[in-house]
Amino acid sequence: QKEVEQNSGPLSVPEGAIASLNCTYSDRGSQSFFWYRQYSGKSPELIMSIYSNGDKEDGRFTAQLNKASQYVSLLIRDSQPSDSATYLCAVRLGLTGTASKLTFGTGTRLQVTL
Amino acid sequence: DARVTQTPRHKVTEMGQEVTMRCQPILGHNTVFWYRQTMMQGLELLAYFRNRAPLDDSGMPKDRFSAEMPDATLATLKIQPSEPRDSAVYFCASGLVWPTTNTDTQYFGPGTRLTVL
Repeated sequence: QKEVEQNSGPLSVPEGAIASLNCTYSDRGSQSFFWYRQYSGKSPELIMSIYSNGDKEDGRFTAQLNKASQYVSLLIRDSQPSDSATYLCAVRLGLTGTASKLTFGTGTRLQVTL
Repeated sequence: DARVTQTPRHKVTEMGQEVTMRCQPILGHNTVFWYRQTMMQGLELLAYFRNRAPLDDSGMPKDRFSAEMPDATLATLKIQPSEPRDSAVYFCASGLVWPTTNTDTQYFGPGTRLTVL
């Protein structure tokens, strides 16, 4: 079992719809969770971080965390073609920056269609 | 606009050759990471440094890979000898990490695409 699992996709959603990206992790001691976006041929960039159970909203993005179920998700509202990319889920054991080692999932490719 | 820079951007080499990849972290960042990305394995952490000291290189094949940070503006990743299975994109990332906070954004460089024939 991989430490961080994501459906590879592609996940295809029409423009304007909500895209829902999911991630599960195996280490129950994980404390910090991140979503990175990676455009084809480019480097990953951080779009969201979440540390507590519940929802965290930032613009059109909402991260959801459920530590009991070991599940983290990313919702993208009003999806745009520019959101088409691979979304990487990353997990860190520690809460503070000294525990900086991230474990990444293999990513979910999102396609937003016109 | 501060960025992580990596050289070379592309490298094609033959099996058995030495490969050196370089990274210049963002000025003022105290933590540098080396990652490898392949389609099959995704993004894997190879090693990372804080204040130039190696903290974790458990993800790195020790017999052929080595990572160093000779000064605060340069990190290197070396493969000797290289093998076809080393073909991947190698990313360097840097960040400013404080022990007492969870602020930990990693800024990735553009990557070095390595092909070993």
